[in-house]
Amino acid sequence: DGGITQSPKYLFRKEGQNVTLSCEQNLNHDAMYWYRQDPGQGLRLIYYSQIVNDFQKGDIAEGYSVSREKKESFPLTVTSAQKNPTAFYLCASTPLAGVVDTQYFGPGTRLTVL
Amino acid sequence: AQSVTQPDIHITVSEGASLELRCNYSYGATPYLFWYVQSPGQGLQLLLKYFSGDTLVQGIKGFEAEFKRSQSSFNLRKPSVHWSDAAEYFCAVGNAGGTSYGKLTFGQGTILTVHP
Repeated sequence: DGGITQSPKYLFRKEGQNVTLSCEQNLNHDAMYWYRQDPGQGLRLIYYSQIVNDFQKGDIAEGYSVSREKKESFPLTVTSAQKNPTAFYLCASTPLAGVVDTQYFGPGTRLTVL
Repeated sequence: AQSVTQPDIHITVSEGASLELRCNYSYGATPYLFWYVQSPGQGLQLLLKYFSGDTLVQGIKGFEAEFKRSQSSFNLRKPSVHWSDAAEYFCAVGNAGGTSYGKLTFGQGTILTVHP
């Protein structure tokens, strides 16, 4: 089945550690997105990528980094510079770059800082 | 900058009752509008979208939404709610211009509780 997979489902991190969240899609979609979700705040865009080897900062990029070395993969690293990383992280993709279209979401990763 | 407001944080309805979730947007051009639903601990699923044409849009699970340009609204409706509709609902507007093309801006969400 085609879709977006995110791993792990739950992730625990000690303060001061970097962690990487995985996002893989087999939909052959061009564009990929990372969102952060906190209760009562909706979804906020962290980074997005329209093509391989290119990505742009979203509204809350500080303390995060991404890479897009392959079309199907868009991992997110939460660095120790992110002051409040505990949140639910969602990855999404759209078929074509540069157009508004339905975003397809993965199941999410819940990150907790201990 | 575009924005989306969902005025109701939490709505409670009885099973079988009608439902309307409100969404107001701010966008300079013709908006691209979406409604998504999220079950607890899950990703988002598209209910319906409006790009152009008929302002009354039908979606999955018996939902519909009406685009009203004069009121900058895109309210979601369902004539009879089922217990399985309990979830969080998000309205979103898409950016079709500038360097942010393709981006979606989401509202804060409305949590729907359904009483038996």
